[in-house]
Amino acid sequence: AQSVTQPDIHITVSEGASLELRCNYSYGATPYLFWYVQSPGQGLQLLLKYFSGDTLVQGIKGFEAEFKRSQSSFNLRKPSVHWSDAAEYFCAVGAGTASKLTFGTGTRLQVTL
Amino acid sequence: EAGVAQSPRYKIIEKRQSVAFWCNPISGHATLYWYQQILGQGPKLLIQFQNNGVVDDSQLPKDRFSAERLKGVDSTLKIQPAKLEDSAVYLCASSPRWSGDGEAFFGQGTRLTVV
Repeated sequence: AQSVTQPDIHITVSEGASLELRCNYSYGATPYLFWYVQSPGQGLQLLLKYFSGDTLVQGIKGFEAEFKRSQSSFNLRKPSVHWSDAAEYFCAVGAGTASKLTFGTGTRLQVTL
Repeated sequence: EAGVAQSPRYKIIEKRQSVAFWCNPISGHATLYWYQQILGQGPKLLIQFQNNGVVDDSQLPKDRFSAERLKGVDSTLKIQPAKLEDSAVYLCASSPRWSGDGEAFFGQGTRLTVV
């Protein structure tokens, strides 16, 4: 069965600094990969997704992620973080389907001014 | 296009009471999922429907949880009796299909507090 690991439970960055959130997955074939963001009391918002093709994908709010098959990773990056980016971030994988997802435990991002 | 609708948004009940959540998926979406998200964790799949049939309920605690999808459209998730550990956000998602690249769209969720 597929699994997702987000090694960092909590990350703090300064506003304007760069950000990288790690995500590793376990699945034998190429999975469908997603990053979601969730603000307190809010639903899940899709940031970006990877299905196939170019391994560097662009998402909303200036986020990007790179699929690295050799490392089984799909790390999320942003060159300059804004205070409004403070939220919980979830990586998710779909094995053979883009709709039935296994989520990681999430990384809470705190942004200091 | 309307999104996935869930109600209620919030519910507080005492332990041992029963509760039901409702989900209206995006029109035409054959696949529907219920997820449970406990505070501080990622969502966990409870049950998957394809039209009005259950495809996967392996993670559903069947002694107290039940779900149905009448006529392959709306779905209800019920907990009876509720326990303190059922406090969570219950997310509904729908997808045009259950295989391939038909991605899921999530509702806002129902936050359940069991006291």
